[in-house]
Amino acid sequence: DTGVSQDPRHKITKRGQNVTFRCDPISEHNRLYWYRQTLGQGPEFLTYFQNEAQLEKSRLLSDRFSAERPKGSFSTLEIQRTEQGDSAMYLCASSSWDSGENYGYTFGSGTRLTVV
Amino acid sequence: AQRVTQPEKLLSVFKGAPVELKCNYSYSGSPELFWYVQYSRQRLQLLLRHISRESIKGFTADLNKGETSFHLKKPFAQEEDSAMYYCALSGYSGGSNYKLTFGKGTLLTVNP
Repeated sequence: DTGVSQDPRHKITKRGQNVTFRCDPISEHNRLYWYRQTLGQGPEFLTYFQNEAQLEKSRLLSDRFSAERPKGSFSTLEIQRTEQGDSAMYLCASSSWDSGENYGYTFGSGTRLTVV
Repeated sequence: AQRVTQPEKLLSVFKGAPVELKCNYSYSGSPELFWYVQYSRQRLQLLLRHISRESIKGFTADLNKGETSFHLKKPFAQEEDSAMYYCALSGYSGGSNYKLTFGKGTLLTVNP
């Protein structure tokens, strides 16, 4: 297991097109998070899965965004009808809990989306 | 609401000088605080957690609940410490979600 993997690393798309990103978390982690990071900002929470259940979505996640985590393993984040404002780094992270202790997140390298 | 403030966007020190990266938070419950670091062209990685009270790469951070602060300190900065540092707060968000809220980050540059 090489940590959290994200694919692709970079994506350039035309405005109005749909894009899908994939995240493979650390296999024993049951929690998976998507974050978005724009220039000069820290990562901002988008959504959270525990196993296959999507338990929380940020108000940042408009109706054009959808995320899934079938079978509680990898996750996909789809953006429909992309807009220039969607250009950002999309980060995936996974975490585990052990006896109620929070060990923090392990992040992937991110997918950099550029909408032209 | 959870909020993390890092007042300095940029911090520049000379090698061997002490460094302190400031972090203040706002949270009504009992938070867990973290420092994450991102070196050039690398992924965001955990540096330390307040609950573990450990020193990593010479860095320490103490949670001060009275001042709602979690400043990161190192007595003698090294050039390899140059990176972007993010303070993050984990607070209860409902259900089982302890999501992280990040500050905007401080870019530390250690000059030779």
